[in-house]
Amino acid sequence: QSVLTQPPSVSAAPGQKVTISCSGSSSNIGNNYVSWYQQLPGTAPKLLIYDNNKRPSGIPDRFSGSKSGTSATLGITGLQTGDEADYYCGTWDNSLSAYVFGTGTKVTVL
Amino acid sequence: HVQLQQSGPGLVKPSQTLSLTCAISGDSVSSNSVAWNWIRQSPSRGLEWLGRTYYRSKWYNDYAVSVKSRITINSDTSKNQFSLQVNSVTSEDTAVYYCARATPVAGYYFDYWGQGTLVTVSS
Repeated sequence: QSVLTQPPSVSAAPGQKVTISCSGSSSNIGNNYVSWYQQLPGTAPKLLIYDNNKRPSGIPDRFSGSKSGTSATLGITGLQTGDEADYYCGTWDNSLSAYVFGTGTKVTVL
Repeated sequence: HVQLQQSGPGLVKPSQTLSLTCAISGDSVSSNSVAWNWIRQSPSRGLEWLGRTYYRSKWYNDYAVSVKSRITINSDTSKNQFSLQVNSVTSEDTAVYYCARATPVAGYYFDYWGQGTLVTVSS
């Protein structure tokens, strides 16, 4: 039921880079800021990126965010085993008058 | 440092009311620069925003259309907490429920989360 579409999974070797896409529409990503969350197994989601490309205090610069049109991208460089988690994008949807999350992407470190 | 501590039953019978509370420390439920949200997560529905309450000279509430007819979010300033009630629950309401703070300066995002409560709807 998510209105934001993400790839189900991505993987790469330690030290490599992965990117995760988040596709939406003009009612959500196209006209609002995007945030990204990391969810480790059995824990609550954690804010990674807000306002498209800003990192909260304590989040390493290996994590980056960008937005273009109705899509957003999360990048993770220098991949570590501790980065294995589910990642979600999110933004406000003006048509639904609700916050919407992406379908989620599982990152696997090979 | 903001902390959100959730409490409430983990098992609710069908057709009854689900009730959860989120106690806030390090911030105020009546702060006029944040919003207090409830979010749930299930394998079938993923992460789903349920609604929010916030204070801007008076109290406001917004609810997701999917649950609007069955949901109430309240605040309790004396205990610095907010709560969620979902009426007439079914198995579709089985999920992990989270409370979260949003700081809508430019974008809307959740910077602090509760620990999560697994609520199972079953007789």
